[in-house]
Amino acid sequence: QSALTQPASVSGSPGQSITISCTGTSSDVGTYTLVSWYQHHPGKVPKLIIYDGSKRPSGVSNRFSGSKSGNTASLTISGLQAEDEADYYCCSYAGSSTFVFGTGTKVTVL
Amino acid sequence: EGQLVQSGGGLAQPGGSLRLSCAASGFTFDIYSMTWVRQAPGKGLEWISTISHSGGSTFYADSVKGRFTISRDNSKNTLYLQVHSLRAEDTAVYYCADNGDYAAFEIWGQGTMVTVSS
Repeated sequence: QSALTQPASVSGSPGQSITISCTGTSSDVGTYTLVSWYQHHPGKVPKLIIYDGSKRPSGVSNRFSGSKSGNTASLTISGLQAEDEADYYCCSYAGSSTFVFGTGTKVTVL
Repeated sequence: EGQLVQSGGGLAQPGGSLRLSCAASGFTFDIYSMTWVRQAPGKGLEWISTISHSGGSTFYADSVKGRFTISRDNSKNTLYLQVHSLRAEDTAVYYCADNGDYAAFEIWGQGTMVTVSS
C-alpha cells in the first residue's frame, strides 16, 4: 500500500496549462481505470474533480482534464487561474475494496 | 444534495480510544459503500478504511488494521469509526466520504480532528 508518486509542487502563470503526474504500479493505476483526482484547499474539504480517469463531475470546470497511460495518470489544468492554487491528490482503486492516494502536489499560480 | 456531518474526535491519550460518527442525509445511504480518509498535520491524504453498503464487508489499511473498526447503522444513516490503541501518528483530521460511482469519493464530511497526546 505505498502512496502513488506525485511531484511535490508545480507552478504556472495565469492562463498557462500545467500537468500533474501520478505514478503507481501494475497493482493499482496500471490495472484499474478507477483513478480520481481531488482539489484540496487548506482548511477546506477535498473536492472531487475527476473520476474514472477522465470524467468530470457536474459543475467542475472543463479546464480540468484527466488521462492515463500505463502506470501513470495525469491531471491537466488549462487556463490556470488564481483560484486553482491548492493541493491536488490522485487516488486509485487497488483491488479488494482498497484504495491508495498520491503523495499530493501543491499548485502555485505565479 | 448529499451531506455528511461528522462528530466525535478530540484529544486522547496514547493507547486510548475514541469513536467518530458520520451522519448522512440527502442521499440513499444504504446503497453506497462508505470510507474513512485521514490527513496528518503537514501530510497527504491517506485511505484508512471502507465498509460495504450492507456493512457485511470491511477493509482496512495496514496502518490501522487490528486497531480501528469501521461500522454502520443503516437505520440511522450513520457511519462509525471506532479507534483503539491510539498512537501519536494517528493524530490527524479524519474525513468520512461516500464511495460514489466509479469508486470516487464525491461527498465528504467536514472533517474531525483527533489528537493523540499525553
